[in-house]
Formats: sequence, structure tokens, C-alpha cells
Amino acid sequence: RKEVEQDPGPFNVPEGATVAFNCTYSNSASQSFFWYRQDCRKEPKLLMSVYSSGNEDGRFTAQLNRASQYISLLIRDSKLSDSATYLCVVKQGSGDKLTFGTGTRLAVRP
Amino acid sequence: DAGITQSPRHKVTETGTPVTLRCHQTENHRYMYWYRQDPGHGLRLIHYSYGVKDTDKGEVSDGYSVSRSKTEDFLLTLESATSSQTSVYFCAISESTGGTETQYFGPGTRLLVL
Repeated sequence: RKEVEQDPGPFNVPEGATVAFNCTYSNSASQSFFWYRQDCRKEPKLLMSVYSSGNEDGRFTAQLNRASQYISLLIRDSKLSDSATYLCVVKQGSGDKLTFGTGTRLAVRP
Repeated sequence: DAGITQSPRHKVTETGTPVTLRCHQTENHRYMYWYRQDPGHGLRLIHYSYGVKDTDKGEVSDGYSVSRSKTEDFLLTLESATSSQTSVYFCAISESTGGTETQYFGPGTRLLVL
């Protein structure tokens, strides 16, 4: 079983749609959680950290469920510019080593 | 922008030749990392550094070595490149953001080993 699992997609949605991505992680001792965004042929960029109480940044909402070892990202009112691959990232707790999911690809169409 | 550059950005080489990739940062970050990214895999850690001359192995370190003689430079060397090392290589630094250590990536180096 992979340490961090994501649905690879692609998710193909119209502009204005709401889309949700899910991610599960296997190590119950994981301490920090992130969503990164990666555009085609570019480096991953931090989208947002995920906090236990859930957090929101504009159109983006992240949730963490430690009991189910599950992280989610909700994007409301999708824009064409949201088209990218979204990486679920987990920090195991010792040092700064991160474990990356393989990413979920989102394509927003006009 | 975390002030990270990588060189070269693209390289084509032949099997068996040595290759060195350079990561340069301008903001005095202590931690630096080398990852590779391949289809079907998440980014995988090759080596990392926690200070000048302090390095350690990641999960896919075989066939790679690193050096860090200055805070700002972290070098990744493929002693004898193989086709399985064809990949996109990303360097990263670690920075505290809102009380959480997060990583920021350089633009990547695309390496093709023929």
C-alpha cells in the first residue's frame, strides 16, 4: 500500500463547478499535511497547509480527518487557471521529510 | 519565490557518463533536498542536507551522491548515469511558514540519459 494515495483523475469540470479531491495516508503518526499545486512542466508550489480544524483560503477549503487518515481539498467556483495537478503531501514527523502522493489532475473547461 | 535556482535546466547525456546538477539558494536556508519525479510516482527523496558537509540519504539514493561545501550550493552527482535515472530532478529548501516547516522547490532539471 502506498503511504499517500490519491485518485489520479483526471477530473474534467466546467468553469464555476465545485470539485473535491481526496487523499488517504497510511502512517497514523503523520503530523503535518499540505496540498501542493503543480502546473505542467513546472515545480510543485505550496497551495495550503491542512490544519486539524480545517482551513479555508478563498475558494479553497482543506479538511483533515485523523481518525480516518484522510485529507480533502475542495475548490469552489473553478477557474480555468485552476487546471493543474494537485499533490497531497504528508510529513511523517521526524525531521522535515515529506511523502508525496502521485497527484490528482484537474482540467477546467470553458 | 524562495530564491532557488537549478542548473542546468535541461541535459541530455549518455549512459556511463558522470553528471552533476547544481542547486543554488540565496536565503541561507539550512535544509536542502534533492528529489526526482517520475510518472506514476510521487516526488521521491534522493538525498538531503542539514548543513554544510552534513548530508543523509533519502529513499532512492542508490547511484547518487551529494555534496554541500557552502550553505548556498547543494550538488547532486550521478557517478555513472543510467537510463533509469532519466527523470525530472527538483531541489527544495525548507522554511518555517506560520509555525510549520514547509518546503519550496526550484524550477527543476530535466535529465535524459540515452
